[in-house]
Amino acid sequence: DIQMTQSPSTLSASVGDRVTITCRASQTISGWLAWYQQKPGKAPKLLISEASTIVSGAPSRFSGSGSGTEFTLTISSLQPDDFATYYCQQYHNYYTFGQGTKLEIQ
Amino acid sequence: EVQLLESGGGLVQPGGSLRLSCVASGFTFRAYAMNWVRQAPGKGLEWVSVINFSGETTYYADSVKGRFTISRDNSKNTLDLQMNSLRAEDTAVYYCTKGGGGFQPFDYWGQGTLVTVSS
Repeated sequence: DIQMTQSPSTLSASVGDRVTITCRASQTISGWLAWYQQKPGKAPKLLISEASTIVSGAPSRFSGSGSGTEFTLTISSLQPDDFATYYCQQYHNYYTFGQGTKLEIQ
Repeated sequence: EVQLLESGGGLVQPGGSLRLSCVASGFTFRAYAMNWVRQAPGKGLEWVSVINFSGETTYYADSVKGRFTISRDNSKNTLDLQMNSLRAEDTAVYYCTKGGGGFQPFDYWGQGTLVTVSS
């Protein structure tokens, strides 16, 4: 089974900050990685697929990069609406989610 | 507008059974794989099961294999999850999600239905 490890688990930041979340796979997944945003009490929303393709409707301040086993999600300038929990997901071999990164207001 | 509406959640005793359903609308249901994903209270996301567009191929997470069965009715645009031999650790919100043509990320999610396994 492919394991996904996100870091950090919690991230404190301020509006306007640039933040980066890292996701590591236990084996190569090529570029088959997605990022989701989840707010309390709501279903997750897909932000990025294929490691770096932003989905229609997602703000352009979100970007993704990486391939193989190391991936990052970057938010270029944090907005109040961005404080949420973020999950990575591999879909190279079945599906596995990372444990999540909670982005908190500093 | 794509909509996924789950139902069937509730309180069940350990060892019991429950059947979840998801009604889909706003897209060509028979053309897409569908999944169930769950989230235990205060925890992260766990993929549960996937069924291909025709219903002929299914896969399960090891944690539910042999206890859960995923199925679909393309004539009614419905996705089901039959859950047997339920355990306390199956307590979670269960989400119905839309996939793609193969293993693809989940571009639409339902609102979720809560399953509580407790005596």
